[in-house]
Amino acid sequence: AQTVTQSQPEMSVQEAETVTLSCTYDTSESNYYLFWYKQPPSRQMILVIRQEAYKQQNATENRFSVNFQKAAKSFSLKISDSQLGDTAMYFCAFMSGTSGTYKYIFGTGTRLKVLA
Amino acid sequence: NAGVTQTPKFQVLKTGQSMTLQCAQDMNHEYMSWYRQDPGMGLRLIHYSVGAGITDQGEVPNGYNVSRSTTEDFPLRLLSAAPSQTSVYFCASSYGYYYEQYFGPGTRLTVT
Repeated sequence: AQTVTQSQPEMSVQEAETVTLSCTYDTSESNYYLFWYKQPPSRQMILVIRQEAYKQQNATENRFSVNFQKAAKSFSLKISDSQLGDTAMYFCAFMSGTSGTYKYIFGTGTRLKVLA
Repeated sequence: NAGVTQTPKFQVLKTGQSMTLQCAQDMNHEYMSWYRQDPGMGLRLIHYSVGAGITDQGEVPNGYNVSRSTTEDFPLRLLSAAPSQTSVYFCASSYGYYYEQYFGPGTRLTVT
């Protein structure tokens, strides 16, 4: 069975600095997708970034980038130039849809606080 | 576009009562899902649908029922509420299963 592990329950970072959130996963499938979602205090879930497993190039989205290591089954999120609005829970998620079965597995989340 | 809407925002039920959480989307998405979010456990998939008339179970389906008669609506029914179903429930939709999911604002349900 697939699992997603986020080993850092809480982190903090100074405004304008860089922080990396870790995520590891376990799967025997070769084709899957990985996501980072952000959940601010408003509770609204928002996609931060998405990575296709078949792509070797790491995804980037403005100040957000990932370090995708397929062999190590690692998918970390780097936030550069942290802003106060980045304060939120961050969830790593694994998705596969092989054999007609749809699996979407979330990690337990990392609570990030950006300090002024 | 309203995106994904959920009603109600808050609900308190007594053990044994039944109710339906409503979810609707106006983006013509084929894929819709229901999750529950519990402290320290992330989001867990309850049921999902890949199109009108097609539903399947997720990770934690027991005690819940779904149907999908239209593309827009995907209600979640609690058959006989139990305190273990106290949670925040999110509905989500996406264009395809590997695309971004758009989430509703959530429903906080308390079962006493």
